[in-house]
Amino acid sequence: EILMTQSPATLSVSPGERATLSCRASQSVSSNIAWYQQKPGQAPRLLMYGASSRVTGIPGRFSGSGSGTEFSLTITSLQSEDFAVYYCQQYNNWPQTFGQGTKLEIK
Amino acid sequence: QVQLVQSGAEVKKSGASVKVSCKASGYTFTTFEINWVRQATGQGLEWMGWMNPHSGKTGYAQKFQGRVTITRNTSIYTAYMELSSLTSEDTAIYYCARGAGFSGYGSLDYWGQGTLVTVSS
Repeated sequence: EILMTQSPATLSVSPGERATLSCRASQSVSSNIAWYQQKPGQAPRLLMYGASSRVTGIPGRFSGSGSGTEFSLTITSLQSEDFAVYYCQQYNNWPQTFGQGTKLEIK
Repeated sequence: QVQLVQSGAEVKKSGASVKVSCKASGYTFTTFEINWVRQATGQGLEWMGWMNPHSGKTGYAQKFQGRVTITRNTSIYTAYMELSSLTSEDTAIYYCARGAGFSGYGSLDYWGQGTLVTVSS
């Protein structure tokens, strides 16, 4: 099973600033990863798929990059509604697996 | 609009089984897979398995093999996840999610609201 490791566990950033979240796979997953946002008491929401494709309706300040084993999610000009927990998921190998999450908090 | 609406919270005794439902609307139920993912309190996401609502074909994560069964009733656009031999370790929120890929591969583009299952001894 592929291990997805997210870093950092917690990221403190001020509103208006830029945040970069990392996700590393234990072996290559090509570009078959997705990113999810989860707010307290809510289900996860799909943000990105195929490493860099933004879901319809997701603001342009969200972008994803990477391939193989190293991936990142960048959020520019952070808004108050962006502070949440973010998960990466690989779906290249069976079974699909998630990272442990990065909590993005207000600095 | 696409919606997945799950059944309500459950409290079960150790050793019992639980069956959670997931009713789909806003799209053709048989054209997208349904996946099940769980999340223990304060923890991350754990994928359990998938089902093709058209064929009924399923696939389960090894951890849950033999304990989980995913089924469907196409006439009422509803998928079900049954987990047996419950222990306190199974206390979690269980989510159904629509799969954007095939055979358990793919991102999960719409999620149900979650069902809290609490297992007590």
